Amino acid sequence: EDQVTQSPEALRLQEGESSSLNCSYTVSGLRGLFWYRQDPGKGPEFLFTLYSAGEEKEKERLKATLTKKESFLHITAPKPEDSATYLCAVRDLYDKVIFGPGTSLSVIP
Amino acid sequence: DVKVTQSSRYLVKRTGEKVFLECVQDMDHENMFWYRQDPGLGLRLIYFSYDVKMKEKGDIPEGYSVSREKKERFSLILESASTNQTSMYLCASSTGTQYFGPGTRLLVL
Repeated sequence: EDQVTQSPEALRLQEGESSSLNCSYTVSGLRGLFWYRQDPGKGPEFLFTLYSAGEEKEKERLKATLTKKESFLHITAPKPEDSATYLCAVRDLYDKVIFGPGTSLSVIP
Repeated sequence: DVKVTQSSRYLVKRTGEKVFLECVQDMDHENMFWYRQDPGLGLRLIYFSYDVKMKEKGDIPEGYSVSREKKERFSLILESASTNQTSMYLCASSTGTQYFGPGTRLLVL
């Protein structure tokens, strides 16, 4: 059965303290891995799509990487405005999208 | 930029009322989705549609129905609202990557 897990569940960082969020997946034929950012009370905002192992994408302080079993969202020198919940999702061979539970990130000034 | 709009940000209804949630996208996407999001349960798929007049049940369709009369508009209907349908409702449209609307926070009293 397709499954997506994310760790840690919650992460507190000091401003400027770089770290990584993990997304592990089991899927029948990966057709895309997605990262979203969600602020409280709002809809998820699309960040990245990755399609194959070894692929990397960057946007400002965020960098997403993909292997055959997991993806990492690296946050370099985070700022308080990076505080949000980060969701990972995968699309399988049958075009079904499965979301992970999310990682809640707090960046303290 | 993809724009997905939802008819209401906040909604308060009484038990037994019929509730309509509307979603409109402006990118000519074929695929549209309705999710609900609850603390600890993540995003759960209610219904989706791959074309006008077409609908498919997601993981939790009970108590809901949908309508897609035009390509850009996908409506979620709660036939007789119940307190356990209090939730955040999110609409998305997609050609591969899903783009979300701002969400409707529904409270059923």
